[in-house]
Amino acid sequence: EPEVTQTPSHQVTQMGQEVILRCVPISNHLYFYWYRQILGQKVEFLVSFYNNEISEKSEIFDDQFSVERPDGSNFTLKIRSTKLEDSAMYFCASTPSAVGNTEAFFGQGTRLTVV
Amino acid sequence: AQSVSQHNHHVILSEAASLELGCNYSYGGTVNLFWYVQYPGQHLQLLLKYFSGDPLVKGIKGFEAEFIKSKFSFNLRKPSVQWSDTAEYFCAVIPAGAGSYQLTFGKGTKLSVIP
Repeated sequence: EPEVTQTPSHQVTQMGQEVILRCVPISNHLYFYWYRQILGQKVEFLVSFYNNEISEKSEIFDDQFSVERPDGSNFTLKIRSTKLEDSAMYFCASTPSAVGNTEAFFGQGTRLTVV
Repeated sequence: AQSVSQHNHHVILSEAASLELGCNYSYGGTVNLFWYVQYPGQHLQLLLKYFSGDPLVKGIKGFEAEFIKSKFSFNLRKPSVQWSDTAEYFCAVIPAGAGSYQLTFGKGTKLSVIP
């Protein structure tokens, strides 16, 4: 069964450092997403990406965040200068289309700890 | 904007006990509904989904959920849990016909099954 894979599974970084979280979406999917879950809180939508550009973003996704599809397979989330409150589980997902009656496939998540 | 409430933060059951996890959503229109499960160290996996038709939907691993429109609920059930069902369960919604795929999740319910 096709899977979304994320690396690393756990990243520890110092406050102020840049981090890049990596994802390999399912190969024939066209839409890519990042979600995050702060411990004890809801999984929240961050951003969606289609045709090499951001299609939607939440208010959480400020200038410190960026996404990129640097090649044909990877989809990355960069946090430019990490803050303590960026500590969370980050989930990547992909879908074949953007309509609501489809299924999102998620990766296993990257736990980011900012110290 | 839509929201999702999951009533139980942590549920502890003995093997063979019956399970019901509550999920309520708020949204004025038609929604598509999902239950995802995350086993320890693994990716978010779709358990079942409801788009239209029979409000009682069956998913993988013996899970089912019933959509009750009048109650804005989509509770997850399993008649007899196993130790392997120990995981975190997430309810999610998206407006039907939405032009962008932004899932709104609940906070999740951690299920611990005691052998």
